Amino acid sequence: SQQGEEDPQALSIQEGENATMNCSYKTSINNLQWYRQNSGRGLVHLILIRSNEREKHSGRLRVTLDTSKKSSSLLITASRAADTASYFCATVPFMNRDDKIIFGKGTRLHILP
Amino acid sequence: EAQVTQNPRYLITVTGKKLTVTCSQNMNHEYMSWYRQDPGLGLRQIYYSMNVEVTDKGDVPEGYKVSRKEKRNFPLILESPSPNQTSLYFCASTWTGNSYNEQFFGPGTRLTVL
Repeated sequence: SQQGEEDPQALSIQEGENATMNCSYKTSINNLQWYRQNSGRGLVHLILIRSNEREKHSGRLRVTLDTSKKSSSLLITASRAADTASYFCATVPFMNRDDKIIFGKGTRLHILP
Repeated sequence: EAQVTQNPRYLITVTGKKLTVTCSQNMNHEYMSWYRQDPGLGLRQIYYSMNVEVTDKGDVPEGYKVSRKEKRNFPLILESPSPNQTSLYFCASTWTGNSYNEQFFGPGTRLTVL
């Protein structure tokens, strides 16, 4: 069953602008994680937010989590060319459940010079 | 250096010829997982392992086998590959305690089955 769904599927912005990506999910989670993937390469973990947290920052990244709406957003501020990549959310269940870690289909972000 | 390694990185094979993709991690992680990535479908989990000798099916296990005889290794076996298994495969690992944590991904194996 598909859990995380990113929105939009693709996003093009000018360098220096902020980029916002959203992730919606269906069932309760232990934590939600965001990953970045450069073309054809392995995913790199960006940030993890737990179900009892509402906002988290890491450098130019800001993640919010709204468990009542079952949604999360990833904000990249002051975008750079190197931010061009695909971004995935992964919903992580509680360990005593049969649910699995589920990745969304990703948002392709393109930073225009 | 903490890492997940996969071999081979690229493989072209023919239908029905058994193959194994190896995965190894040096971080003493309990949890290991295999994913396949296809255009428009994102990452889908094939199999995962919570620890040695413990494996479970993910979302798309058909046509694949795995084993976890040692903590560091988690090979993916295709007994009789078919063209619909042409994909980009990733191995990942993480430590667990009372929850799953960030996953470390290997560089990927691009498999083509003719």
